[in-house]
Amino acid sequence: DTEVTQTPKHLVMGMTNKKSLKCEQHMGHRAMYWYKQKAKKPPELMFVYSYEKLSINESVPSRFSPECPNSSLLNLHLHALQPEDSALYLCASSQAGSGQGMRDYGYTFGSGTRLTVV
Amino acid sequence: LAKTTQPISMDSYEGQEVNITCSHNNIATNDYITWYQQFPSQGPRFIIQGYKTKVTNEVASLFIPADRKSSTLSLPRVSLSDTAVYYCLVGGTDTGRRALTFGSGTRLQVQP
Repeated sequence: DTEVTQTPKHLVMGMTNKKSLKCEQHMGHRAMYWYKQKAKKPPELMFVYSYEKLSINESVPSRFSPECPNSSLLNLHLHALQPEDSALYLCASSQAGSGQGMRDYGYTFGSGTRLTVV
Repeated sequence: LAKTTQPISMDSYEGQEVNITCSHNNIATNDYITWYQQFPSQGPRFIIQGYKTKVTNEVASLFIPADRKSSTLSLPRVSLSDTAVYYCLVGGTDTGRRALTFGSGTRLQVQP
């Protein structure tokens, strides 16, 4: 299995709702990532998990709460979002670190969840 | 982490070869150069990765000069389906130094 699976593919939520995005991979990757992408912009890093521990939080507002329950799963819990949070949310995974100078093959991205906040 | 600079957009016609150059002046010794392709409403997809000289796979070639301060992605005989945004990322393989930041990318439009 060489895929990253994201669910749901589309999500519409109100500003008072609580919802979660789910990401799953079975490639044995030990690093997982959340990116946010607005239209016609590059993906922006939100969070990095390495060996199920949060290693990077790019000053993301607390209304976004990541969770990594095990090495294959990554969740993004959403609460009290704003309309400007509407975007494509991308999950990615990679080898966690194969040593300096060693080659890897970068990220494997999921297809994303298109989130609309109304 | 090395910052990358690419042309914002390029136009081509079917059957032509397209070369997209990325500048990364402060690339570190252990950094690799990786190119991704992204179609609308999809996640980026790995195309090719290299460290120095030339790398070729079934999809593209990657040319890296000796000083490694730039790289060129070469797409032979493009088709309409190659219309996409292309990103180059530069970074190491340890999570803390991994290329985490996407530059603006190059929007390639292929015409019939």
